[in-house]
Amino acid sequence: ETGVTQTPRHLVMGMTNKKSLKCEQHLGHNAMYWYKQSAKKPLELMFVYSLEERVENNSVPSRFSPECPNSSHLFLHLHTLQPEDSALYLCASSHSTGGGGNEQFFGPGTRLTVL
Amino acid sequence: GIQVEQSPPDLILQEGANSTLRCNFSDSVNNLQWFHQNPWGQLINLFYIPSGTKQNGRLSATTVATERYSLLYISSSQTTDSGVYFCAVEANQAGTALIFGKGTTLSVSS
Repeated sequence: ETGVTQTPRHLVMGMTNKKSLKCEQHLGHNAMYWYKQSAKKPLELMFVYSLEERVENNSVPSRFSPECPNSSHLFLHLHTLQPEDSALYLCASSHSTGGGGNEQFFGPGTRLTVL
Repeated sequence: GIQVEQSPPDLILQEGANSTLRCNFSDSVNNLQWFHQNPWGQLINLFYIPSGTKQNGRLSATTVATERYSLLYISSSQTTDSGVYFCAVEANQAGTALIFGKGTTLSVSS
């Protein structure tokens, strides 16, 4: 595998379910990100991790819970979601955060539908 | 926070035509990237270009950081160029995240 991978690619879940999205980067990067892309809206940052430490939480509801066990893996745990949480969830990675020179590379996304 | 505006919002071209997409941003930036989002949602990196000019095949980009804009040129467009083109910036002051514009939706017909 190369680049940034995400699983699953598609997910349908009920409002009472608990599920997790997985992201893995094979680029040797130290920073990982979760973004949300809703219909008709620009991509929005959710979380940033640098060296497995969360450095930014962009006012995301607590029903979204990120986890970064190491610099190559990032999870997004989902519970008690609402239909308006249906969106494309994109993971990205970069060499580091801030200060310039940090090109971000994106995974293919998980398309989530909440019924 | 920093604002990113892209124009035009929609663009329809015949195959073989040239086009220019514009990205204006409201503050100084560390990072500027252009992406192409394919129909399956994948964001494909086109250019990392906080300043200057770069070319890659039929695509080229120019960022004039002092005037806070960037241009993406597509020459001899092909149907496979269709999709949404995003400009995204990382502000000098804000640190970590890319702030995306709303995108330009390009449709190229044969």
